[in-house]
Amino acid sequence: DSGVTQTPKHLITATGQRVTLRCSPRSGDLSVYWYQQSLDQGLQFLIQYYNGEERAKGNILERFSAQQFPDLHSELNLSSLELGDSALYFCASSVSSSGSTDTQYFGPGTRLTVL
Amino acid sequence: AQTVTQSQPEMSVQEAETVTLSCTYDTSENNYYLFWYKQPPSRQMILVIRQEAYKQQNATENRFSVNFQKAAKSFSLKISDSQLGDTAMYFCAFLNYLGNEKLTFGTGTRLTIIP
Repeated sequence: DSGVTQTPKHLITATGQRVTLRCSPRSGDLSVYWYQQSLDQGLQFLIQYYNGEERAKGNILERFSAQQFPDLHSELNLSSLELGDSALYFCASSVSSSGSTDTQYFGPGTRLTVL
Repeated sequence: AQTVTQSQPEMSVQEAETVTLSCTYDTSENNYYLFWYKQPPSRQMILVIRQEAYKQQNATENRFSVNFQKAAKSFSLKISDSQLGDTAMYFCAFLNYLGNEKLTFGTGTRLTIIP
């Protein structure tokens, strides 16, 4: 158990819908990262938040957004869902004090299926 | 931009034998981290081992060790006395030090341990 929690474990929805994925980092970790794992794209970095602020952006679609709350949990919002958004979405966390990097520990993932 | 290449899509080995998974990377950076993550059928991403580029000594974690060749940009994982529980996808990953904190993953190697 990495200490990172993600809910829900599974999500099945229809095209055009909007969903919210939730992540709680390990105790003491300030950084949260979101990754997408799909069959055709592999593991792709989406976005990072550090202590409530967006810190880095990767291949995140405009239909996707995220935020990190004062209690450091994070939510990834996916809207206008398409079939191609079906994937496993991972959250990871690290201590990541400003100006350095650290090991990222992954949550169990949320499997999103868009029908 | 960094790239990570895993040239072995699939491997299999008899239980108790030793197996080596290959990984090469491309970067212009001098300071970075390298990781091996394991993804068993449960789909959880589990950290196996971590190597700091400034350290010449190869990292070791119990039955897992790496052969880090910085000049050759090579980072292989050796699993000794392989066990059935080692059956998983193994991903090599690169992380910048003091930079964009995203992990860049290879495409993975599917390892099967044969009883």
